[in-house]
Amino acid sequence: DAGVTQSPTHLIKTRGQHVTLRCSPISGHKSVSWYQQVLGQGPQFIFQYYEKEERGRGNFPDRFSARQFPNYSSELNVNALLLGDSALYLCASSLPRAGYGYTFGSGTRLTVV
Amino acid sequence: GENVEQHPSTLSVQEGDSAVIKCTYSDSASNYFPWYKQELGKRPQLIIDIRSNVGEKKDQRIAVTLNKTAKHFSLHITETQPEDSAVYFCAAIRGNTNAGKSTFGDGTTLTVKP
Repeated sequence: DAGVTQSPTHLIKTRGQHVTLRCSPISGHKSVSWYQQVLGQGPQFIFQYYEKEERGRGNFPDRFSARQFPNYSSELNVNALLLGDSALYLCASSLPRAGYGYTFGSGTRLTVV
Repeated sequence: GENVEQHPSTLSVQEGDSAVIKCTYSDSASNYFPWYKQELGKRPQLIIDIRSNVGEKKDQRIAVTLNKTAKHFSLHITETQPEDSAVYFCAAIRGNTNAGKSTFGDGTTLTVKP
């Protein structure tokens, strides 16, 4: 079985641009969460989606948005990129009942220049 | 907002010794507490977890204890090996009818010296 897959693996963007990151959960997992991990820190919770609805949101500005599709894959969108948005963006999927068995993808390394 | 404090930030032990990492959380609604191991350049991997209705859980050399009253939980690794060297993260997750919200600690860098 494939694990959580994320694309792209690396991305370089310029300040002010927007970016879309993609995540495919483990087959059978209906919940997807997004995290931002800055070097030397723990993952910071951005969003959780379940059954295509936002179920949790962290302390991130409105420039960050996400959605979940009928096949449970998800996109994270970031508008008006800032240098401080440079980080590893991790997606995690979990069993249908949220909060258990989070499995992370390998992440997308975003660099904003 | 919710907060998870993790200590120590770095830990160095001799091979074969035990290692203990402690986390304190603030959100009393948290009911799920996983621990992740992250090697350099790799994804966080779940190593053990505990739910709020359990006080202790063990899996071979790894154990986790939870004190809900005091709102802290700990990771215990016995008979450490060099391959245990990594960054370890704790998390406190409020999972309720799929409205989850998770908070991670800032990590502990464990070094096991051969």
